[in-house]
Parts: sequence; structure tokens; C-alpha cells
Amino acid sequence: DAGVIQSPRHEVTEMGQEVTLRCKPISGHNSLFWYRQTMMRGLELLIYFNNNVPIDDSGMPEDRFSAKMPNASFSTLKIQPSEPRDSAVYFCASSFGHGNEKLFFGSGTQLSVL
Amino acid sequence: QKEVEQNSGPLSVPEGAIASLNCTYSDRVSQSFFWYRQYSGKSPELIMSIYSNGDKEDGRFTAQLNKASQYVSLLIRDSQPSDSATYLCAVFTGFQKLVFGTGTRLLVSP
Repeated sequence: DAGVIQSPRHEVTEMGQEVTLRCKPISGHNSLFWYRQTMMRGLELLIYFNNNVPIDDSGMPEDRFSAKMPNASFSTLKIQPSEPRDSAVYFCASSFGHGNEKLFFGSGTQLSVL
Repeated sequence: QKEVEQNSGPLSVPEGAIASLNCTYSDRVSQSFFWYRQYSGKSPELIMSIYSNGDKEDGRFTAQLNKASQYVSLLIRDSQPSDSATYLCAVFTGFQKLVFGTGTRLLVSP
């Protein structure tokens, strides 16, 4: 199993541009999570899906952020327009449970908004 | 009050010593507790889970849970330089959400 696959690994963009992060969960996992990690705030849950349905999006910072999971093998996190304060590492993770089981993390996307 | 609190460290221990990492949480109805290890520039990986009061041992790692005190700890015996990493405490809260602490950085010197 290739594990959770995220792309791109690094993204550098200018303020105001649209950014799309992609994630392929482990086959068979029914939950997918998007986390953001910064030095100041640590790992923050942005949104999680169960069986492709968004369950909790209370961590999404504002309307500039949106996430979709059109099928069991693909999810996107979009930021439009991007701002410098969005600079962080964005992790996607998947699991069999709702977060009460082991999470398998992807390698992350390092986002820099200039 | 933060939902999950950890001392950011760094915690420095010599090789062969016991490293003790601590975590407190605010939600009394939390049921599941986890320790993830994150090497610099890498993603977190699960090393221990604990669900009931007491100790749980796995090799050199022991997780301890005290629900009355809302306290979770991780002991690493015979610490090795390869254990140098950030250790993240995670709590599955009563709101059905997995919340992470900001992590404790551990440095094991040879």
C-alpha cells in the first residue's frame, strides 16, 4: 500500500492566487482529515469527511477555504484567495474510524504564500 | 484553556535515561488518547494508544492515563538519539474530534 498520497509537496504562490491541495487516502479507509500545522498553533483540524460526507468543518478558518471529497479515493482543499497567513504545512490523513482509530498521515504540503 | 496542553520543551535527556513526556486535557468525557511521534520535516506517526486508566507498555514505551486528573504521559526507557523528535499528544474528545497538543520536543544526547 502506498499510504496517503498528497500533492504537491511544496507550493509557493503569491497572495491572492488560488491554491489547490490534493489527497488520495488509503484504500478502504472511510474517514479523511485535513490538518494544518504551524509552529504557533500546532496541528489544527480543518475538516473531516466520513464516507465522503463532510462531518465537521468547524476548523475551516473562513470562507476562503473549501474542501471536497467527490469519491472515496480523492479529496481537495482549496484556498481562494490565498493570504500570507495561510503559509503552513497542510496534512491529509485517513483512517477507519472518526479519529478514535489510528490516523495515517500523508507527507504534507508545505505552502508558502508570498 | 487549551483542549490539549503540552510543555513545548525541549526536554533534554542523556542516552540511556528515561524520558517523561506529559499532557493534560480539558474535556472530561474524552475516551481515547494517543501519542504520535514527528521527526523534523516528516509527518506524525502513531506510537501508542491508550483507552483506560493505568499503564500500557509496548517495548521501551509506556503510556499512562489518569482520567480523574485528566492527565496522560509517555515514558521512554533507555532513550536513544533516534528518539529525538517532537511527541504529539492527541485526545479524541466528547465532541467526536481528535485534538492534538502542540507537541514536546525531545532531545536525546549521546
